[in-house]
Amino acid sequence: EAQVTQNPRYLITVTGKKLTVTCSQNMNHEYMSWYRQDPGLGLRQIYYSMNVEVTDKGDVPEGYKVSRKEKRNFPLILESPSPNQTSLYFCASSLSLLAASYEQYFGPGTRLTVT
Amino acid sequence: DQQVKQNSPSLSVQEGRISILNCDYTNSMFDYFLWYKKYPAEGPTFLISISSIKDKNEDGRFTVFLNKSAKHLSLHIVPSQPGDSAVYFCAASERNTGNQFYFGTGTSLTVIP
Repeated sequence: EAQVTQNPRYLITVTGKKLTVTCSQNMNHEYMSWYRQDPGLGLRQIYYSMNVEVTDKGDVPEGYKVSRKEKRNFPLILESPSPNQTSLYFCASSLSLLAASYEQYFGPGTRLTVT
Repeated sequence: DQQVKQNSPSLSVQEGRISILNCDYTNSMFDYFLWYKKYPAEGPTFLISISSIKDKNEDGRFTVFLNKSAKHLSLHIVPSQPGDSAVYFCAASERNTGNQFYFGTGTSLTVIP
């Protein structure tokens, strides 16, 4: 089954404790991206990757890191989480931004709470 | 600063009637627009898209209209069904020069049986 998977689905952590949210897709997609969803703010793009070893900042990259060592994986790293990073996070992938079909496939989301 | 806006947080419609969801954008360089649907506890799923070279795109019960001069797009669902009850997000991108996507804040649609 074609899908984007995220782990963990739920995470409660404390300020300053480094964490990684994993994202994996099995569709051989080139483009991957991370978003956060907050009430009243919709979905905001954190980072995106056009392909392996190519990453770039989205709208709200502060406090986050990403890496793209393999095509299928795009982990989101919070080196020192703070309470304002409490949010619902989505990973997404797309075949290619050069493709006629431009839509992204989203994972199920990771609910992160930083206390 | 929100470049894509959905000014109606919620909308209720009777089953069988038309649902119209609206979206405005500020960046005139956006040239590709998408609508996503999101159920609770799930990720958004793609619904329909439109390129700026068109002003209308249809897919079954879903039609998206684009008014470039007004920087406005709308999603029409006809006829509305209870299963359409979800949050709808519009998104925009400047396809030629950028790889970023900008989403609106979402509109929660409730279709009343």
